[in-house]
Order: sequence, then structure tokens, then C-alpha cells
Amino acid sequence: LAKTTQPISMDSYEGQEVNITCSHNNIATNDYITWYQQFPSQGPRFIIQGYKTKVTNEVASLFIPADRKSSTLSLPRVSLSDTAVYYCLVGDRGRTDKLIFGTGTRLQVFP
Amino acid sequence: EAGVAQSPRYKIIEKRQSVAFWCNPISGHATLYWYQQILGQGPKLLIQFQNNGVVDDSQLPKDRFSAERLKGVDSTLKIQPAKLEDSAVYLCASSRQGSGQPQHFGDGTRLSIL
Repeated sequence: LAKTTQPISMDSYEGQEVNITCSHNNIATNDYITWYQQFPSQGPRFIIQGYKTKVTNEVASLFIPADRKSSTLSLPRVSLSDTAVYYCLVGDRGRTDKLIFGTGTRLQVFP
Repeated sequence: EAGVAQSPRYKIIEKRQSVAFWCNPISGHATLYWYQQILGQGPKLLIQFQNNGVVDDSQLPKDRFSAERLKGVDSTLKIQPAKLEDSAVYLCASSRQGSGQPQHFGDGTRLSIL
């Protein structure tokens, strides 16, 4: 399974757009990219998943360039409640959906 | 729909004692996972069930950890005997059968070993 690299932490202010980039140089052809969000004392929560180009839902957007060696999670107009750890994962969507979590990116949003 | 239920929420035991955690997945979810999350790290998969069969238990320390999902619904994870390094949050997750289904996590059981 591909290894991912993310920044350890990021800071932002309320109302700003936050972009968290994840590197996955060894991503395989069948791998999908999935992002999870985790608040303190809670389990991770699925945010978004994609294979290529751009995916958007009511929470976030996921940008994946043509070579798929990286991806960017975009959170529009963050609020204090977006303070959390964000995990980028890659894995074969067609197999066991086995997830390997890294240490994630700790996002701190300030007022 | 109701989320993944886990109990207890917290547990404190002494080393060498035994402990069990319970998980009730979302109704209709065939796949169930147990993860261990040590403070400051991401969750690590311990075991994955598909209905009542084990799909992956390659990272389960089988000398002290065991898990079962006898009727293909709820599941228990047991540690016997516990070691200090087992202090962590134990998360249960479930997903629908099929490729690409997102996992839904419970809020975990925080285990402290004294």
C-alpha cells in the first residue's frame, strides 16, 4: 500500500480557505485517495474520496493532478469547528478497503 | 441511521489483568474493523471481519489479543493479559460490503493500564 506524506500541522484563521496537500509518490493504478477528519475523543469521520481530477461535496473539495502523485484537500471558509486532525489515505478501492493511517495533519483554526 | 456503538467509553486496569471491549456496528454493515490508536498516532488496523469471518488479522498480537464476531453483527475484542504498551484508544468501525465503501467509526474505548 502506498505511503503518504502530509504536513504535521497547519494554522489558519476563521473564514480562510485551507489547502492540505498529501504526497503519495508510489500510488498504484487501482488506488483511491480518501480523507478522514478526526476530532479529539472521537473516531475518524469520512470526508471525501477520489481517483482523479476534482471531487466536490458539501464539506470539501479534493484536487488530484494527472500524475496522481499528490492530492490536495480544500476546506472553504474554515470555522473554529474545523480544528481537527486530517488524514490522507490511499488504498485499493477494489480490495479489502484496508486503511493505513499516517500521523495526519493537525489543523488549528484561530478566531 | 444510528452510528457505531462502543462500550465501555473508558477503562482502567492494572497490567496483567484482562479486559474486553464491545462494538455494535451500523445495521446492515457486513464489514467490521478494530483499530488501536496510540496517543499522537493514526489508528492502526488490528483485525477486519467480513460478516463473521476474519479477512485480515496480520497486525493483531495474537498471543494476548483476541476478537470474535460470532453472529456476524456485534463484536468483542479482548486483551489478556494487558501490558503497559496496550494503553490506547480502541476504535471500532464498520462499512457496507462492496468496493469503495467509507468506514464509519465509533468514538472508541480509552484504555489505561496502570
